[in-house]
Amino acid sequence: AQSVTQLDSHVSVSEGTPVLLRCNYSSSYSPSLFWYVQHPNKGLQLLLKYTSAATLVKGINGFEAEFKKSETSFHLTKPSAHMSDAAEYFCVVRITGGGNKLTFGTGTQLKVEL
Amino acid sequence: GAVVSQHPSWVICKSGTSVKIECRSLDFQATTMFWYRQFPKQSLMLMATSNEGSKATYEQGVEKDKFLINHASLTLSTLTVTSAHPEDSSFYICSARGDRMNYEQYFGPGTRLTVT
Repeated sequence: AQSVTQLDSHVSVSEGTPVLLRCNYSSSYSPSLFWYVQHPNKGLQLLLKYTSAATLVKGINGFEAEFKKSETSFHLTKPSAHMSDAAEYFCVVRITGGGNKLTFGTGTQLKVEL
Repeated sequence: GAVVSQHPSWVICKSGTSVKIECRSLDFQATTMFWYRQFPKQSLMLMATSNEGSKATYEQGVEKDKFLINHASLTLSTLTVTSAHPEDSSFYICSARGDRMNYEQYFGPGTRLTVT
């Protein structure tokens, strides 16, 4: 079975400081991993994805994530937070075979303070 | 490209009535559509997967007679919540995927359902 664990339900940072949202995965096979962002009462927007190519993945809005197989991690980072980054972030793993379903983590609420 | 829309964006209905939510792929053919449910401050839970022209596959614990899914064309899937009750109040999100899109799902903006 494949799953993802988001280690922090809430993260609070000051504007201009780095962001780190943690995600660990469990998978029997080489996984496909994603980070999505959801603003209040909105749908999901894909930030970035890892699909077995480069382990350091760059996404939109200055976000990036590094796939570390030895640590089974796929943490999301951004060098400098902006107020507009305040949102819910979901780490997601795609189930290989079985219709390629997505399994979502429980989400991390990012708060950005002045 | 790869835009998915949902209609309505929010709906309020009375207990016992049925409500239909539409999910459309605007610029691609969606051979597969997914319906998710999200409770406040919680993650998305997959309800069902529908392939165009065939019956939907429901996840364990989801009542197929309660949540009717139709995927009659390559650009439209509908979710009908039948005999709605207050506990059906939730945020419903669809996603769509085309055959030549590397299995990536594109998400709609969601529909907020409130049952009074």
